[in-house]
Amino acid sequence: KAGVTQTPRYLIKTRGQQVTLSCSPISGHRSVSWYQQTPGQGLQFLFEYFSETQRNKGNFPGRFSGRQFSNSRSEMNVSTLELGDSALYLCASSGTGDIEAFFGQGTRLTVV
Amino acid sequence: DAKTTQPPSMDCAEGRAANLPCNHSTISGNEYVYWYRQIHSQGPQYIIHGLKNNETNEMASLIITEDRKSSTLILPHATLRDTAVYYCIVRVQGYGQNFVFGPGTRLSVLP
Repeated sequence: KAGVTQTPRYLIKTRGQQVTLSCSPISGHRSVSWYQQTPGQGLQFLFEYFSETQRNKGNFPGRFSGRQFSNSRSEMNVSTLELGDSALYLCASSGTGDIEAFFGQGTRLTVV
Repeated sequence: DAKTTQPPSMDCAEGRAANLPCNHSTISGNEYVYWYRQIHSQGPQYIIHGLKNNETNEMASLIITEDRKSSTLILPHATLRDTAVYYCIVRVQGYGQNFVFGPGTRLSVLP
């Protein structure tokens, strides 16, 4: 079956702009989580959505937000972009029991 | 903060077993040990997980000490494609996805 799909794969934005990233989970998975990966901070948990509700949240400012649709697809939005938001943004989905998470290939965001 | 400590880097000869250690001395009774790996610029890949018994799958074996304060991931016959960053994570199942990744171990498999 198809894996986790993230679009776009690469993105360049200007400081102050906003951006929306998309994630399509594995079919049947209802949990979608988002992570930010930077060389300095490593992999950091942003938030998780389950059945259209935010279930867990990491320690990121309110500029980072997300949502999940009834088909479990999720979007992540970052407003008022800063240079430090340049990162690889990873999405993961999991099925019943949250036993393991399957990650997508990520979206590489560059803020200039 | 991550609840695990791992060596920052390790080398292994191709074809030999790679043994990656992980310390998790504050692990709780209901926390599982998970291993993921990340090959350059790709998303992390699940390898294996366990609670207290040793586990084996087609990719690797997981050995957890009796006191559960440490574990070892074993790749029995390392290949060049196993070169990656390996993450050891402890987490409670059933409360959603909130994996806390540490810096991991950068494994280099050498020809």
